[in-house]
Amino acid sequence: NAGVTQTPKFRILKIGQSMTLQCTQDMNHNYMYWYRQDPGMGLKLIYYSVGAGITDKGEVPNGYNVSRSTTEDFPLRLELAAPSQTSVYFCATRTAGGPTDTQYFGPGTRLTVL
Amino acid sequence: GENVEQHPSTLSVQEGDSAVIKCTYSDSASNYFPWYKQELGKRPQLIIDIRSNVGEKKDQRIAVTLNKTAKHFSLHITETQPEDSAVYFCAASIWSAGNQFYFGTGTSLTVIP
Repeated sequence: NAGVTQTPKFRILKIGQSMTLQCTQDMNHNYMYWYRQDPGMGLKLIYYSVGAGITDKGEVPNGYNVSRSTTEDFPLRLELAAPSQTSVYFCATRTAGGPTDTQYFGPGTRLTVL
Repeated sequence: GENVEQHPSTLSVQEGDSAVIKCTYSDSASNYFPWYKQELGKRPQLIIDIRSNVGEKKDQRIAVTLNKTAKHFSLHITETQPEDSAVYFCAASIWSAGNQFYFGTGTSLTVIP
C-alpha cells in the first residue's frame, strides 16, 4: 500500500516549457487535491476533484490544468511555465464519511522555473 | 471564502515548556479543524483534529481547543521535546463532500534543548 505517490521529485523547467506532475493513490479515495507551497508560506489550493470526471478550481488555478479520468490518478498540467510557478507541489487525497476525515499528502514535487 | 489566520509565525520554547499556536477562521459554517506538522523537506502530516461538536480534544502531549463563538482554535503542546521542532499548520473545512481545506500560513516551532 503505497498511499499517495508523486513524480517527479524534482524538476527544473525553462520559461515557456510545459510539464505534467503525476499523482497516483491506491487508497480508493474519491477526493483529490493539488496544492502549492511557496517558501515560508502555507498551502494554496490549485485544483481539486471529488471523483473521476469531476474537477473544480481552487484559490490559485491560473496557469494550471487538471484531469481525472480514473479514481487513482490526478495529473496536474503546467502550460507555459513561469518563474512564479516555482514552488513545491503537493497532491493530497481525502477520506470522507469515516471517523477520521482528513487529507493524506504525497511526498511533493519541487519545481524550479528559470 | 474562508480565511484562516495563524499566530505566531515563529515560536521558540525551552525543552519541557509548553507551546501554544492560535488560529482564527471567518466562515461560521466551517466545522472541521485539523492540525498538520511538517518537518523540513517532508510532507504535512496530521497530528490532531477537532470537529465543531466538541470543545477540546487531547492526544498525549497534544491538545486542541475550539471556541466556535469566537471562531478560534488553538494547538497546545506540553512538555515539548526537540523532535517537536517543525512547522505547524492549522486548517478549516466544512466537513462534507470534497470541500476545500483552507490553511493558515504556518508556525515554525523551535524547541531549544
